[in-house]
Amino acid sequence: DAKTTQPPSMDCAEGRAANLPCNHSTISGNEYVYWYRQIHSQGPQYIIHGLKNNETNEMASLIITEDRKSSTLILPHATLRDTAVYYCIVRVISGNTPLVFGKGTRLSVIA
Amino acid sequence: GAVVSQHPSWVICKSGTSVKIECRSLDFQATTMFWYRQFPKQSLMLMATSNEGSKATYEQGVEKDKFLINHASLTLSTLTVTSAHPEDSSFYICSARRGTSGGYEQYFGPGTRLTVT
Repeated sequence: DAKTTQPPSMDCAEGRAANLPCNHSTISGNEYVYWYRQIHSQGPQYIIHGLKNNETNEMASLIITEDRKSSTLILPHATLRDTAVYYCIVRVISGNTPLVFGKGTRLSVIA
Repeated sequence: GAVVSQHPSWVICKSGTSVKIECRSLDFQATTMFWYRQFPKQSLMLMATSNEGSKATYEQGVEKDKFLINHASLTLSTLTVTSAHPEDSSFYICSARRGTSGGYEQYFGPGTRLTVT
């Protein structure tokens, strides 16, 4: 079972920042927070991951609370192509277990 | 790097026939690959874990005799849907695991849409 909770859907205006929340209150000390997204009829695409520090890459920023019980994925300037389902997943990076997907958040970027 | 391909991207078959889907890691070796299934408006559900040179491990509720998995090389895993029925129509996605300095990462293929008529 997925160990994360996300809102089922969100809207964002094109050009604005999209902030996608995720609750993972039962996260263990050795579990990372991963974000993937799935554009319609495609395979999931890796976005970013982190353990406890905030992370940033060319796609997004990841803000993890100090107690690690929640996080926020930030798309700084959303475009129509960012419309997708976004999945927040916690996992042990060295483990052999596969990624388990929850229901995710369906982000609609509106022109 | 870390590209995973699937073939075919879509397939239509008649009820009762078998369909084979290929998953390849193009620029890395994958001792472990995973197969997921996704029904419309639902999330990805893990079907099985495929290990090179050994039998696949199936998730509860997935029929191993119906969904045959073969991982014959470090870059290729195949999923064969045998005696397909319309309820097997779904989006099948494979994922290959690659080792990194800190552990393992999963990379996903583009998916195969199966329609059984």
